[in-house]
Amino acid sequence: KAGVTQTPRYLIKTRGQQVTLSCSPISGHRSVSWYQQTPGQGLQFLFEYFSETQRNKGNFPGRFSGRQFSNSRSEMNVSTLELGDSALYLCASSRELAGADTQYFGPGTRLTVL
Amino acid sequence: KNEVEQSPQNLTAQEGEFITINCSYSVGISALHWLQQHPGGGIVSLFMLSSGKKKHGRLIATINIQEKHSSLHITASHPRDSAVYICAVGRLGETSGSRLTFGEGTQLTVNP
Repeated sequence: KAGVTQTPRYLIKTRGQQVTLSCSPISGHRSVSWYQQTPGQGLQFLFEYFSETQRNKGNFPGRFSGRQFSNSRSEMNVSTLELGDSALYLCASSRELAGADTQYFGPGTRLTVL
Repeated sequence: KNEVEQSPQNLTAQEGEFITINCSYSVGISALHWLQQHPGGGIVSLFMLSSGKKKHGRLIATINIQEKHSSLHITASHPRDSAVYICAVGRLGETSGSRLTFGEGTQLTVNP
């Protein structure tokens, strides 16, 4: 069974640009969650999607958005990039809601904002 | 105060030693997760538990719901166990969603 995949793996952008990251969950998993990891803040919850609906959102500005498609694939978008958005962005999938099911993580997208 | 506190932050052990990493939390949870992150970023879920104790190979995880505390034990530690171990609590929200809240992680180094 294929694992969670994320594309691209590495991305370099400049301030003010926007970026779209993609996550393909394990087949049969309906829940996709996104996380940001930085050296200073550690791992932080961004969003949770379940059956194409955003079920929960973390404490991030509106520049961070996402969606989930009918095949459970998910994208997240960050507009008007800031230097502080440089981070490893991880997605994870599970059959049920993230809070109560084993999470399977993707390899992450490392975003660098210059 | 963080909702999830881990200790110690850093741990160095000799191969073969018994290792314990602790996690305390201050909120109601649906489940507690132990994760392992190797250099390069990949995260693997080791355990998800909501009560009692689970064992997988040399790894044992326990949770005490009343005391809001969990421990991860590694028996007969090996250099390949060197990684960051992260405790995360799962919470079900009011809007039919959920979220994970993470501890800061414990950097474990096992020397041969």
